[in-house]
Amino acid sequence: EVQLVESGGGLVQPGGSLRLSCAASGFIFSDYSMNWVRQAPGKGLEWVAYSAGSSSAVYHADSVKGRFTISRDNAKNSLYLHMNSLRAEDTAVYYCAREFWTGYIYYMDVWGKGTTVSVSS
Amino acid sequence: SSGLTQDPAVSVALGQTVRITCQGDSLRTYYASWYQQMPRQAPVLVMYGENNRPSGIPDRFSGSTSGNRASLTITGAQAEDEGDYYCESRDSSGNRVFGGGTKVTVL
Repeated sequence: EVQLVESGGGLVQPGGSLRLSCAASGFIFSDYSMNWVRQAPGKGLEWVAYSAGSSSAVYHADSVKGRFTISRDNAKNSLYLHMNSLRAEDTAVYYCAREFWTGYIYYMDVWGKGTTVSVSS
Repeated sequence: SSGLTQDPAVSVALGQTVRITCQGDSLRTYYASWYQQMPRQAPVLVMYGENNRPSGIPDRFSGSTSGNRASLTITGAQAEDEGDYYCESRDSSGNRVFGGGTKVTVL
């Protein structure tokens, strides 16, 4: 069964750091690009970061650039999001999502259940 | 602009047809994908490409694209279709972008 399981969320003070993990199973992890997507309470989905499958290409949303870093360990079938200088507005459920693309078609076909990050003093 | 614009909310009578639209410049180059999200649940992919449904998605869901506008149509809406729907695409910089979401209410 194809599955993504996020972990690492919790309560952190403003300015603090956290590392989220996403454990993948049921597919060849290195063959797929991966994304982090977040959802603040009562708000819509916001793309956070992207990591290519077997290349080093990464992209980050402007809202987190310089503070968050996406990384992956294909040997461990794991995706990470290193979050520094956390702000109250980073409070959200963070999802990891597998991406498939072909030509001009991109989509996120598998999602985890999410992990909650709360930034508060 | 790389933003995607969606109507905040639409309503549809049970069994009728509703169209959810998504507008943005990036849609002239890249197809939109569509996600359904129920309360307190993770998003689920319901449509991608021109008109492609993942396995398990009912055929009452269909998609289309014209110019800078993508649409997701539910023909014969059911009570279980009520939820939030998001479109998603990417821009030329490699960034992925979501629309603001449309809340669908089935009356």
